[in-house]
Amino acid sequence: NAGVTQTPKFRVLKTGQSMTLLCAQDMNHEYMYWYRQDPGMGLRLIHYSVGEGTTAKGEVPDGYNVSRLKKQNFLLGLESAAPSQTSVYFCASSPLGAGKDEQYFGPGTRLTVT
Amino acid sequence: DAKTTQPTSMDCAEGRAANLPCNHSTISGNEYVYWYRQIHSQGPQYIIHGLKNNETNEMASLIITEDRKSSTLILPHATLRDTAVYYCIVRPNAGGTSYGKLTFGQGTILTVHP
Repeated sequence: NAGVTQTPKFRVLKTGQSMTLLCAQDMNHEYMYWYRQDPGMGLRLIHYSVGEGTTAKGEVPDGYNVSRLKKQNFLLGLESAAPSQTSVYFCASSPLGAGKDEQYFGPGTRLTVT
Repeated sequence: DAKTTQPTSMDCAEGRAANLPCNHSTISGNEYVYWYRQIHSQGPQYIIHGLKNNETNEMASLIITEDRKSSTLILPHATLRDTAVYYCIVRPNAGGTSYGKLTFGQGTILTVHP
C-alpha cells in the first residue's frame, strides 16, 4: 500500500491564483482530513470528511473549499490564494470505528503564496 | 476536548529510555490519550493511544495514572531517529456521527544525542 499520497509536493502561487491539492489514500478509510501547519506551530484542521460525498468545516476553513467525490480522494481548493495561506498542508485519513481511529498522514504539500 | 500540557523540550542519550510526560487534568471519562510524533518536515506519525490501562506496542509504552490526569510516553531504547516533536492529544474516540479531530498543541521537542 502507498498509504496517503499528496500532489503536488511543492507549489508557488501568486496572490489571487487558484489551485487544487489532491490527497489520495488506498487504505479504504472512511475519514479524511486536511490540516495546515505554519512555522513553529502545531497542525490546525481546515476541513474534514466522514465519508464519500460529505464534508465539514474544521478549525480554520476560511479561504478553502473541499470535495470528496470518491472515497479514496479528498481535494482541497484555494479559489483566490493569499500570502496568509503560505503553509505546509497535510492530508490524513483514518478508519471508522472505535479503537481504530489513528490517523495516517501524507508527506505534505509546501505552498508559498507571493 | 481536554487541554494538555507538555514540556517544551527534552534531551535523551541514545540507547536510554525517553520518558515524555503529559498533563491532562481536565480529561473526561470518554476521552482517550493519543500520542503522535513529527520528524522534521514529515507528516505526523501515530505512536500509541489508551483510555485508562497502560498500553504497549512495538514503538512505545503509554503509562496513564490511575486518576487519568497525566500520562507518560516511554520510548524504551531511544535512537537518533527518534528525534522529533512529540504531541500528546486528548479527545473522544471517533465513530458513528463523531469524527477523529486531533487538536495539536506545541508538543515536546525530543532530542536524542549520541
